[in-house]
Amino acid sequence: AQKVTQAQTEISVVEKEDVTLDCVYETRDTTYYLFWYKQPPSGELVFLIRRNSFDEQNEISGRYSWNFQKSTSSFNFTITASQVVDSAVYFCALSEYGGATNKLIFGTGTLLAVQP
Amino acid sequence: AAGVIQSPRHLIKEKRETATLKCYPIPRHDTVYWYQQGPGQDPQFLISFYEKMQSDKGSIPDRFSAQQFSDYHSELNMSSLELGDSALYFCASSTNPREALNTEAFFGQGTRLTVV
Repeated sequence: AQKVTQAQTEISVVEKEDVTLDCVYETRDTTYYLFWYKQPPSGELVFLIRRNSFDEQNEISGRYSWNFQKSTSSFNFTITASQVVDSAVYFCALSEYGGATNKLIFGTGTLLAVQP
Repeated sequence: AAGVIQSPRHLIKEKRETATLKCYPIPRHDTVYWYQQGPGQDPQFLISFYEKMQSDKGSIPDRFSAQQFSDYHSELNMSSLELGDSALYFCASSTNPREALNTEAFFGQGTRLTVV
C-alpha cells in the first residue's frame, strides 16, 4: 500500500530563517511521482513541484529546493529565507505511474507559520 | 490559460438535504478526480472518471454518486447530507494517465460545503 508521512504537524519560524519540511513515502511501485502542494489560508491547492522516481536530481527554484533520496524514501522541501507569505499548510503527495488513474495519496500536511 | 472550474465555490445545506457539485475540466482533459478535505485533514481521494467511465474509487460514501458527461464535465451528487460531510471538495483534471508520460492533475479552487 502507498503511504506518505509528514511527521512535522506544525513548524514555526521567524522570517528569514531557513526551514525544511520532511516527507517520507512508502510504495511498492518502481515508477511513481512525488509532489508538493501549498495550501494557503484561502484554501486552494497550489502545485509546487512534481518529481518522477527516475529523477533523483535535486531541484532549486528561487527560494525553494527539494531533496529526493530514493535510498531513504524521502522527498524533503526546503524554503530558504522564509517570508510571512510562505505561511500555509504544505502537503507532500504520491501517485503511481501508469495505473488506472493518477490519484494522489497525500500526507497529513505540515502547517508552517512564519512570524515577522 | 484555462483552469479547472468548480461551482459553486461555497454551498450551505441543511442536514438530509442534497447537494450537487460541478467540475469543468481543462479543455482536452479527459480524466476527472474528486477529493474531499475535511477540516484540518488532508485531501482524500473519492472517485475518478476517464472517458465518462468510472476509473477508480476511493472512500466515497454510498450516499454520494458522481458521473462524467459527454463534454467531460463531472458532477458529484451528495444525498442525505450529514454534518460530517462539511468539507472542501476539490476536483482535478488530467489527460489519460496511461497515455501521457508526464500526466499531472490540475486542481480547481474547491467547493466549500457547509452542512448545518
